[in-house]
Amino acid sequence: QVTLKESGPALVKPTKTLTLTCTLSGLSLSIRGMRVSWIRQPPGKALEWLARIDWDDDKFYTTSLKTRLTISKDNTKNQVVLKMTNMDPVDTATYYCARISFDDAFDIWGQGTMVIVSS
Amino acid sequence: DIQMTQSPSSLSASVGDRVTITCQASQDITNYLNWYQQKPGKAPKLLIFDISNLETGVPSRFRGSGSGTHFTFTILSLQPEDIATYYCQQCDTLPYTFGQGTKLDIK
Repeated sequence: QVTLKESGPALVKPTKTLTLTCTLSGLSLSIRGMRVSWIRQPPGKALEWLARIDWDDDKFYTTSLKTRLTISKDNTKNQVVLKMTNMDPVDTATYYCARISFDDAFDIWGQGTMVIVSS
Repeated sequence: DIQMTQSPSSLSASVGDRVTITCQASQDITNYLNWYQQKPGKAPKLLIFDISNLETGVPSRFRGSGSGTHFTFTILSLQPEDIATYYCQQCDTLPYTFGQGTKLDIK
């Protein structure tokens, strides 16, 4: 069974850096064609794509947050890590990781992790 | 960035009704359009990819159509378990972008 699971702090102070981890089970990050993204959703609002990392370590970011985001992976641990710097209360959201299928759709999602930014 | 405009933003319908949601892209996205269903407190679920292809296990009452910049999502006969928010998403060009969502409830 293929699953993704997000983990990270539930509460982050403004100006700090958020680090989130997505752990994959049942599939390998290193296989050709594997791509994983991070997507977030503020309470009551729409989904927003954040970043993508590919099996060959190619990385892509959303335009508005490019300077604050870093995505990386650890093939030995089968984990994808997202770092977001200079957190602000507007970054309060549920953060999801998702696999991108061969057809370029987000076909497998994690359960999401809620992050609140507050002092 | 490609803008995805969904309408309506909310919709009430009765069980058995045919429900239609539209999604307009700000530029041609060929066939790279996906639809997701999100129930409260849950992660989104892929329903349709590449405009009209049903994900495995998705009931056939869900349909997708369109081309270029204008796309339609239809539920042929609304069921109580279809109450959710629905999102379109383009994967033609990075950054990927989603519509603002359509919240569907039962009349």
